[in-house]
Amino acid sequence: ETGVTQSPTHLIKTRGQQVTLRCSSQSGHNTVSWYQQALGQGPQFIFQYYREEENGRGNFPPRFSGLQFPNYSSELNVNALELDDSALYLCASSGGTSGREGEQFFGPGTRLTVL
Amino acid sequence: GEDVEQSLFLSVREGDSSVINCTYTDSSSTYLYWYKQEPGAGLQLLTYIFSNMDMKQDQRLTVLLNKKDKHLSLRIADTQTGDSAIYFCAESMSNQGGKLIFGQGTELSVKP
Repeated sequence: ETGVTQSPTHLIKTRGQQVTLRCSSQSGHNTVSWYQQALGQGPQFIFQYYREEENGRGNFPPRFSGLQFPNYSSELNVNALELDDSALYLCASSGGTSGREGEQFFGPGTRLTVL
Repeated sequence: GEDVEQSLFLSVREGDSSVINCTYTDSSSTYLYWYKQEPGAGLQLLTYIFSNMDMKQDQRLTVLLNKKDKHLSLRIADTQTGDSAIYFCAESMSNQGGKLIFGQGTELSVKP
């Protein structure tokens, strides 16, 4: 059983650019959630995808968007990058057979730096 | 509103017990979780407690839940230097697809 994987590991962009981050969910999981973790803070919920549909969104502007594919992998897209978007972006998968609501398994994250 | 709070730092000696505290706000949370994050890494799920329990023990970890005061704690027995990390508590929002609300994390430093 493979865990959650994310790519790339690190990324450097400049203000105004666009970025796409990728996530492969854990085998058997149909739900992917994305979180932003600024330095020294806890993760903040961006949005969640369940069976290719957005299933909840946190307090992030529309320039943060996402997709989920039929194999349950997911992308996070951020347009018009701002300096404050610099953070660790974490993907988490869930929906396995444990039945525990909210039990999520996290990938290693993508460290995004915006200059 | 949604808010989870933790103390920021805890320092203990190797072999002592560590107790990390957390308060949360949503009384309808079904599950509460503890995650561990080592430097430069993602979050590792450590343990959880269901909201109708008041204690759960899992090897060196003991979780206590006081639902009336919305207070959660994680006790690590016989703390080792490998336990040094940031610990996050998180509540699961039952009416929002199980989205997790995290505290800001407690940095545990274990001195030999």
